[in-house]
Amino acid sequence: AQSVTQPDIHITVSEGASLELRCNYSYGATPYLFWYVQSPGQGLQLLLKYFSGDTLVQGIKGFEAEFKRSQSSFNLRKPSVHWSDAAEYFCAFMTTDSWGKFQFGAGTQVVVTP
Amino acid sequence: NAGVTQTPKFRVLKTGQSMTLLCAQDMNHEYMYWYRQDPGMGLRLIHYSVGEGTTAKGEVPDGYNVSRLKKQNFLLGLESAAPSQTSVYFCASIYHNTGELFFGEGSRLTVL
Repeated sequence: AQSVTQPDIHITVSEGASLELRCNYSYGATPYLFWYVQSPGQGLQLLLKYFSGDTLVQGIKGFEAEFKRSQSSFNLRKPSVHWSDAAEYFCAFMTTDSWGKFQFGAGTQVVVTP
Repeated sequence: NAGVTQTPKFRVLKTGQSMTLLCAQDMNHEYMYWYRQDPGMGLRLIHYSVGEGTTAKGEVPDGYNVSRLKKQNFLLGLESAAPSQTSVYFCASIYHNTGELFFGEGSRLTVL
């Protein structure tokens, strides 16, 4: 079955420290992969996406993600977090045979401490 | 350019009442979606539409109906609201070949 998993429900990180959020998927081929961020009371905003090509993808707000086919993963990273990065982050994927039907992970809540 | 607009933003219903959520997008997008968001469950697809006049069921369609009479609008209806439909509802749209979902700000519905 096709699925996407975010193993970490909640992460606490100090301001200025690095951040890595995990995302794993289950699919027989390479899917289209996305990371979205949701600030409190807001809709979701696209951070970055991977369709093909370079496996290291740069996004907005200083985020990057790396696609690793061997590990079926698409982890999100930021070298130095800011207090404004506190939010919920969702990994999502879509496949070529179900174009337009996104599957979302359960989300990872990121708390940033001073 | 307003993007994706949802109305109303908040609503409280009693069990058995009906209501309609309206989603409007001004980006000429083909695909539109209704999701519900519940704690710890991410976003789950209720219904979607790949074009004017077409709709399809998503992951959790029971208790909801939709209509897409105009390309820019996608309506979500609850005919007889139940407490299990208490949730935050998000509308989204994409242009079919870019893959980026644009979301509305959400509609918080409480069913008592």
